Amino acid sequence: GEDVEQSLFLSVREGDSSVINCTYTDSSSTYLYWYKQEPGAGLQLLTYIFSNMDMKQDQRLTVLLNKKDKHLSLRIADTQTGDSAIYFCAERTGSNYQLIWGAGTKLIIKP
Amino acid sequence: DGGITQSPKYLFRKEGQNVTLSCEQNLNHDAMYWYRQDPGQGLRLIYYSQIVNDFQKGDIAEGYSVSREKKESFPLTVTSAQKNPTAFYLCASSAADGALEAFFGQGTRLTVV
Repeated sequence: GEDVEQSLFLSVREGDSSVINCTYTDSSSTYLYWYKQEPGAGLQLLTYIFSNMDMKQDQRLTVLLNKKDKHLSLRIADTQTGDSAIYFCAERTGSNYQLIWGAGTKLIIKP
Repeated sequence: DGGITQSPKYLFRKEGQNVTLSCEQNLNHDAMYWYRQDPGQGLRLIYYSQIVNDFQKGDIAEGYSVSREKKESFPLTVTSAQKNPTAFYLCASSAADGALEAFFGQGTRLTVV
């Protein structure tokens, strides 16, 4: 079935770039999303990319999509303590409009 | 201020009791969703509704029930048939099923004591 995989943890130093990776299995994905969840809170949409794009940049965020390898990444430049959160990758497929979610990557910032 | 509100933030339930989680939105969204979040797992869909008076089971509907009598409200009941109900529950809404962005509530943490 459809599946989205992410590493559970990523640790980076403050000021460095963070790269969070995600792989998915459904080749009919239409949109791919990155959501952010701060402790004890709901999820907030950070950015999304349409499947016919390979890159999207929005201030400190860069999304790269390799459709051939079914690989999505989120780069956060100049990582700050406020970026500490869990980052979820999700895909919307062509077969229905439900989102398939990854398990989330917890980003840990070291001083 | 438009948004989606879940209440309560924390909820404790004794074994064998039913409990209802509230979700209200004033975004005029047609579609609403309930997800369950467990540590180290992605969000799992419990139920969703695309329109008033209609809803569909998600991947893990057993032991849960919902209603959608009003566009603004989509309460979730966790019944005694749910064997492992302790989890973080998230409600979301979107403008129409298939829309780009889902808006989430702040979640309800349910603990069975």
